[in-house]
Amino acid sequence: GEQVEQRPPHLSVREGDSAVITCTYTDPNSYYFFWYKQEPGASLQLLMKVFSSTEINEGQGFTVLLNKKDTRLSLNLTAAHPGDSAAYFCAARSGGSNAKLTFGKGTKLSVKS
Amino acid sequence: GGIITQTPKFLIGQEGQKLTLKCQQNFNHDTMYWYRQDSGKGLRLIYYSITENDLQKGDLSEGYDASREKKSSFSLTVTSAQKNEMAVFLCASSITYAEQFFGPGTRLTVL
Repeated sequence: GEQVEQRPPHLSVREGDSAVITCTYTDPNSYYFFWYKQEPGASLQLLMKVFSSTEINEGQGFTVLLNKKDTRLSLNLTAAHPGDSAAYFCAARSGGSNAKLTFGKGTKLSVKS
Repeated sequence: GGIITQTPKFLIGQEGQKLTLKCQQNFNHDTMYWYRQDSGKGLRLIYYSITENDLQKGDLSEGYDASREKKSSFSLTVTSAQKNEMAVFLCASSITYAEQFFGPGTRLTVL
């Protein structure tokens, strides 16, 4: 089945710096991808969803890039601030009738002021 | 919009005890999920259900039972609590094949 590798597991940056988190997935038929944010002590909050027909999605302060050729998904926080400090998880849904998501193991981001 | 409610928020049990966690959603979503998250770790799928009375095993179903009593509710039972099960249990729901929305979690401590 689908496997998702997420890197790095820990990331520490200074306020204003960019931060990049990358996920590689194994099933080339995966077609639906998600990024979740989990603040300390809280649950997962949907940050962005990406379809295979969309290569770049931009949100508030971040960009998501999907590279289908390399089966890679990335989250780029363009100018990190302390409120971005959290764990981030990517998730992929494979093709077919599978209702499950495969999650990466997460990246713990720390933004220092 | 909608909301997912998990009860209790904190659950303390004794080793060997049978414990039940409950989840309710008012999104009218078809599919519901139970995940376990150990401290500082990722999510592992325990059970999911794509409709009322349906149950599908996840990667971590051994030691757990689940019940989808109605479309809006999904229960998880820890059949015999073990000390290494101290974790947060997250419930989620989705329109089947779409994004999942997560509840606030139940934090389990086994004494």
